[in-house]
Amino acid sequence: DVKVTQSSRYLVKRTGEKVFLECVQDMDHENMFWYRQDPGLGLRLIYFSYDVKMKEKGDIPEGYSVSREKKERFSLILESASTNQTSMYLCASRKGANEQFFGPGTRLTVL
Amino acid sequence: AQSVTQPDIHITVSEGASLELRCNYSYGATPYLFWYVQSPGQGLQLLLKYFSGDTLVQGIKGFEAEFKRSQSSFNLRKPSVHWSDAAEYFCAVGPFSGGYNKLIFGAGTRLAVHP
Repeated sequence: DVKVTQSSRYLVKRTGEKVFLECVQDMDHENMFWYRQDPGLGLRLIYFSYDVKMKEKGDIPEGYSVSREKKERFSLILESASTNQTSMYLCASRKGANEQFFGPGTRLTVL
Repeated sequence: AQSVTQPDIHITVSEGASLELRCNYSYGATPYLFWYVQSPGQGLQLLLKYFSGDTLVQGIKGFEAEFKRSQSSFNLRKPSVHWSDAAEYFCAVGPFSGGYNKLIFGAGTRLAVHP
């Protein structure tokens, strides 16, 4: 089974802190994605990566950056966390044009 | 522009009743279509997918969906709902070519099941 893991299920940070969310997949997928999920808004794409060291902005990249140094790992970085970044963050991976597999999510609270 | 609409934000059904969740999409060609389910506090799990061929697709947990090109719809159905089906359901369309290889998700439909 494909497995996508995220480093934390719950995270509480303070405004202005630098936050790292880590995602690891074990199926050699070239595509990886970061979404945020908010009630009534569904999933919104923050960034995605289609290869190592490659990244593309999604629909809401402001306030975020990403890093993909190895194929299996895709990190989301909040350079200076703000309260409006309190959300559920979901990582996903995909091979080619097939289905996406999701991690369990990280619920981030910024105080 | 590509988009996905799930017209029903919340649906409540009784256990044992039939279920249909609606999904409409806007896209210039035949897309790939997906339904995902999310249980509380969890990630998304794929229920079923349509790429081509038979327009009625079967998924896990007794769900099925029908692709209707003329209506740009991909509605999810289940003949008899179980209490464990209470969750949020997302329809998704994609991926798209032209360098923007992503899925587009609907806003979701939250299903409640009465005993």
